[in-house]
Amino acid sequence: SAVISQKPSRDICQRGTSLTIQCQVDSQVTMMFWYRQQPGQSLTLIATANQGSEATYESGFVIDKFPISRPNLTFSTLTVSNMSPEDSSIYLCSVEDHLAGVRGELFFGEGSRLTVL
Amino acid sequence: KNEVEQSPQNLTAQEGEFITINCSYSVGISALHWLQQHPGGGIVSLFMLSSGKKKHGRLIATINIQEKHSSLHITASHPRDSAVYICAVRSYNTDKLIFGTGTRLQVFP
Repeated sequence: SAVISQKPSRDICQRGTSLTIQCQVDSQVTMMFWYRQQPGQSLTLIATANQGSEATYESGFVIDKFPISRPNLTFSTLTVSNMSPEDSSIYLCSVEDHLAGVRGELFFGEGSRLTVL
Repeated sequence: KNEVEQSPQNLTAQEGEFITINCSYSVGISALHWLQQHPGGGIVSLFMLSSGKKKHGRLIATINIQEKHSSLHITASHPRDSAVYICAVRSYNTDKLIFGTGTRLQVFP
């Protein structure tokens, strides 16, 4: 299992500013995932953060807007840059169990609820 | 049409009632997950299924692979069960997770 600490839990931000969200896992993991959940919507994968290499971004998400760091196997950050009200969402960090190459149980952080004014 | 559909979208119940939440999907899957999202936004994994049925306390999850359908049952519901329940499937072809939009459950005393 994995315990994930994510911060901030919530923030209110001004348009045009940037905010960095931190995610700490209590065990070493190869991949960490960043999701966005817009109001009333399902979770959407932003990117996969791999230690020692560039993050892999999903269609519709770019590094300039959502830069990601992954300095070691237990920690990652996601920055939401030049924010606009459309970026108001819950951002979630996640990891997965891997057993013999099979992707298993999911673990999520507590979420970071961002409101952009 | 979404690849993962949940019903109902919203559900209210009296404490003690038996609750069923449904999930239908249209892609081939290697696994299905039931998740619980608390009002603060954090998500907890309840079940991971690839066949049959699993039980944990008052929660039961079933899956019918042929019909591409899963159900989450809560027996003797309690106000602390109030949350959003999310169904997610892992696509067999892409190995990626596809999430439903969730079912918001409110249980009143």
